[in-house]
Amino acid sequence: LAKTTQPISMDSYEGQEVNITCSHNNIATNDYITWYQQFPSQGPRFIIQGYKTKVTNEVASLFIPADRKSSTLSLPRVSLSDTAVYYCLVGGANRKLIWGLGTSLAVNP
Amino acid sequence: NAGVMQNPRHLVRRRGQEARLRCSPMKGHSHVYWYRQLPEEGLKFMVYLQKENIIDESGMPKERFSAEFPKEGPSILRIQQVVRGDSAAYFCASSPPLGKNGYTFGSGTRLTVV
Repeated sequence: LAKTTQPISMDSYEGQEVNITCSHNNIATNDYITWYQQFPSQGPRFIIQGYKTKVTNEVASLFIPADRKSSTLSLPRVSLSDTAVYYCLVGGANRKLIWGLGTSLAVNP
Repeated sequence: NAGVMQNPRHLVRRRGQEARLRCSPMKGHSHVYWYRQLPEEGLKFMVYLQKENIIDESGMPKERFSAEFPKEGPSILRIQQVVRGDSAAYFCASSPPLGKNGYTFGSGTRLTVV
């Protein structure tokens, strides 16, 4: 099962773009890359998922280089409410996911 | 269109009692996953179930823990003879059969063993 490595914490300010990079050197051919957001005392919330190149939705973009050994979650113009823990996971459909400690993002006014 | 429903939200049990945690998956989702989270830690996989089948229970402690997902009704995570170390947040997630677009999580059950 692929493990991931991401920064423990990041600081930013309102209105800035935040990029969180995740390393997954032993990603398997059929693994997808999925990012979740978690607020205190709540369950994780799905943000975005991708397999290769770039994926964009209404809340974030996900950049995946050709070798797929890393990925970058991009949050445009963050606000205070984006303060949360962000998890990067790799895995296939209907398989267990290995969760790391995530990246604790603090957005300051 | 209700999401994943977990109950109770908070559960207090004395050492030695039994804890039953319930999870109703999203409509149309036939796969259920249970995770445990300790404070300041990531989620730890426990078990993956489909209706009437345990697919992967590699994360379940060998004793006192069991899970089921019957044909009718919610999935149940059962912890017998609870100990203080069982205190944690237990999250349930569900996914449709292909599970490609991530999992939907419930709000969790916070178990406190006193």
